[in-house]
Formats: sequence, C-alpha cells, structure tokens
Amino acid sequence: DSGVTQTPKHLITATGQRVTLRCSPRSGDLSVYWYQQSLDQGLQFLIQYYNGEERAKGNILERFSAQQFPDLHSELNLSSLELGDSALYFCASSVGFGEDTQYFGPGTRLTVL
Amino acid sequence: KNQVEQSPQSLIILEGKNCTLQCNYTVSPFSNLRWYKQDTGRGPVSLTIMTFSENTKSNGRYTATLDADTKQSSLHITASQLSDSASYICVVSAYNNNDMRFGAGTRLTVKP
Repeated sequence: DSGVTQTPKHLITATGQRVTLRCSPRSGDLSVYWYQQSLDQGLQFLIQYYNGEERAKGNILERFSAQQFPDLHSELNLSSLELGDSALYFCASSVGFGEDTQYFGPGTRLTVL
Repeated sequence: KNQVEQSPQSLIILEGKNCTLQCNYTVSPFSNLRWYKQDTGRGPVSLTIMTFSENTKSNGRYTATLDADTKQSSLHITASQLSDSASYICVVSAYNNNDMRFGAGTRLTVKP
C-alpha cells in the first residue's frame, strides 16, 4: 500500500460524458501527478500540481483538466469522452518534485462505451 | 524528439538467474532517470532514481547504471525470484519534469 488513494476504482460511462477522478496523496506530500496508461500508448504524464499550483504539464488534452485543493487532494476532470480515453488513470504523489520518489496509487480504470 | 526506448520487449528467465534490461534515451536537457516495477493492473513502484552525476544505484537485488554520455541505462536483477515477474519501465525526465517520457517497458517472466 503506497498510501495514495484513488476513487473510484472502476468507472464505466458513455461517449460524450464527463467524469471526475479523485486522488488523495500520502500524508505530507505536496506534489500530485496524473498519468494515463492505455494499451496502445503506454504510460503518459498528464499534469503535476505542487501545493495547489500547476507546476508541469505533459500530454494533457484540452478536454481534460485538473486541480489541487487546499487539503492537497486532487481531481482530474475528463469531458466529452471518446472511446480512446478508455485507460487506467494513475495518480502519484511526492514530498516535493525533482528527484523525489513518486508513490503511485492503485489507479482508476475508465471504460468509455 | 525526446524518446525512451527499452529492450528487450519481453524476457523469460529461470528462477535464480540474473538478467539485464536496457534503456536508451534522447531526452534533453536530462534531469533524472527512474526505473519502475509494475505488476499487471497495479500502480508502478519506484526502484531507483538517478541524476546526471550518478553512475550506479542499488535497491536490494536491483542495480541500475547510467551512462549520461551515451544516454544509456541498464537495470540488473540478480538471483531472480518468481515475484520479479512484472513490467519494468524506464522514465526519463527533462529539467523541471516538464517533459517526462516513459519507455514501453520490458515484460519479465521468471519461471520456476
């Protein structure tokens, strides 16, 4: 158990819909990262927040957005969902950034039908 | 273009044997290189993190090496165990983690 929690574990929805994935970092960690893992693309970095502020942005689509709240939990919002958005979405947390160890949560499996 | 390539794509070894996995990258400017172990359907687990100035880093039976000049890294697993069966993923970050690139992974199977 990494100490990072993600909800829900599974999510099944239809194309065009909007969903919100939630992540609670390890106690004391200020950074939260979001990743997408699909069968054809592998793992991809989406976005990082540090202490409530966006710090780094990867291959995140414009239909996706994220935020980190004052209690440091984070949400990833996915809208206008397409079949290709079906994937495992991981959240990770670390104390700071740079070379800090990232601890991954168990993931949310999103299926878009 | 910043890329990370891993080899082999898959590997089968017998329990107790050693193996070495490779990672070549073109990410620049280089910040750090991480190796992760990922069991199917679970989140990756960090094995090692190396910066430009580090050549070798160990974590139990896992030893990672880094040659920043040739932009190559390897992960050596000694005395393999059945529980080592997993995907091993190499991740290279550019400065400030603004560009974090993942390799496709090596799928390792350890057989009794």
